[in-house]
Amino acid sequence: DIVMTQSPDSLAVSLGERATINCKSSQTVLYSSSNKNYLAWYRQKPGQPPKLLIYWASTRESGVPDRISGSGSGTDFTLSISSLQAEDVAVYYCQQYYTTPYTFGQGTKLEIK
Amino acid sequence: EVQLVESGGGLVQPGRSLRLSCTTSGFNFGDFAMSWVRQAPGKGLEWVGFIRSKGFAAATEYAASVRGRFTISRDDSKSIAYLQMNSLKAEDTAVYYCTRGRGGIEYWGQGSLVIVSS
Repeated sequence: DIVMTQSPDSLAVSLGERATINCKSSQTVLYSSSNKNYLAWYRQKPGQPPKLLIYWASTRESGVPDRISGSGSGTDFTLSISSLQAEDVAVYYCQQYYTTPYTFGQGTKLEIK
Repeated sequence: EVQLVESGGGLVQPGRSLRLSCTTSGFNFGDFAMSWVRQAPGKGLEWVGFIRSKGFAAATEYAASVRGRFTISRDDSKSIAYLQMNSLKAEDTAVYYCTRGRGGIEYWGQGSLVIVSS
C-alpha cells in the first residue's frame, strides 16, 4: 500500500499569512505515460463531508480561490494557502488515487494564531 | 444539481449485517464509478472501496480491512449504490460517505453513521 504522510499534524497561522502543508507518498504517484500525479487535496470542516480543493496535484477545483494552490510531483507535494482567512480553519487531507487502496494522509489541522 | 444521500445507518450488534444505500440524482449515474469512504469518530478518512460503471463490468475493489465482509453494488435503473456490510466489528464504527468517482472526488454525500456495539 502507498503510505501518505502529512506534515505537520497541526499548525497555527496568523490571518493574512501563508500556510503550507506537506504530503509525502511512500512511492511515486506520477503516472509516466500521462505525466499526471494522481494526488488530491481536500478540506474538511467539523460536521461536514470533505471538499475537493485540488486534483492532479495542482489543478484547482472549480470555485476554489486562487490563493489555494497545489504543487509537487512524484512523491513530494505541497498545499499552500496564501493570505489565510478565518474560513480556512479546517482539517486538510491529501489522497493518492494512483493505485488501490486509495490512501489518505492522516490529516493536518489548520488553526488561526 | 448533483446529490448523494446515504441511508440505512444506525446501531448494530457485532457480527450482524447492515446495508447502506446511496440515492443519487442530478447526473447520469450509469456513467460513473461510485466509491465509499469512512471516518471513525475523531479520526481521519479511510477509503473503503469502489464499483466501476457497467462499461467496466461494474468491477469492484476494496480495502483490505473490509475485503470479504463488505460488498459494493449498484442499481443503475434506480441510480442507487449500495454498501452491504457483514460480520461487522466495533472498528467498523464510522460515518460512511458515498462519493461519485474514484479519485479526486468532487461529490460527497453527507454521510451515514454506523455504530457497531452490543
